[in-house]
Amino acid sequence: EDQVTQSPEALRLQEGESSSLNCSYTVSGLRGLFWYRQDPGKGPEFLFTLYSAGEEKEKERLKATLTKKESFLHITAPKPEDSATYLCAGGVLIDGSEKLVFGKGTKLTVNP
Amino acid sequence: DGGITQSPKYLFRKEGQNVTLSCEQNLNHDAMYWYRQDPGQGLRLIYYSQIVNDFQKGDIAEGYSVSREKKESFPLTVTSAQKNPTAFYLCASRRGQGHEQFFGPGTRLTVL
Repeated sequence: EDQVTQSPEALRLQEGESSSLNCSYTVSGLRGLFWYRQDPGKGPEFLFTLYSAGEEKEKERLKATLTKKESFLHITAPKPEDSATYLCAGGVLIDGSEKLVFGKGTKLTVNP
Repeated sequence: DGGITQSPKYLFRKEGQNVTLSCEQNLNHDAMYWYRQDPGQGLRLIYYSQIVNDFQKGDIAEGYSVSREKKESFPLTVTSAQKNPTAFYLCASRRGQGHEQFFGPGTRLTVL
């Protein structure tokens, strides 16, 4: 069964304290690993797509990396505005249709 | 501005009533999706459509129905057969296979 697991469930950081969020996946025939940011009461906002092991992408204080079994979202010197829930999803092809399998998310709180 | 709109933002329903949630996109995307989000759970796929006049059941389709008469529109009806409809509903669209899904702002449905 295709599965995506995120850890930790929640993470509290002080402003400037760098850390990483983990997304491990067991997906046959991965067709992209996707990261989203979701603020309370809003729809997820797309951040990154990674397609192959070794790939890295960066945006401001965020960097996403991918191995054959997991992805990491590194947050460097976070600010309070980085507080949000971060969602990870694996793309899978089922019956000719592409779908996303989501993890439950990591809720990040950055204190000033 | 291109994007996905969902309406209404909040919806209240009495038990036994059917309600329809609207989703419109002007991104010229072929594929559209409906997800349900509950606290502590990942996004779960309700229905999806790859092209106009065609749609498929997702993982939790029971008690829901959809239509795709136009490329831009993918309304979701929550029927009285859905036993626990209170949730946050998200609509998404995608340009093509391997590409990211873009999400709307969501509709919060509460059953009174």
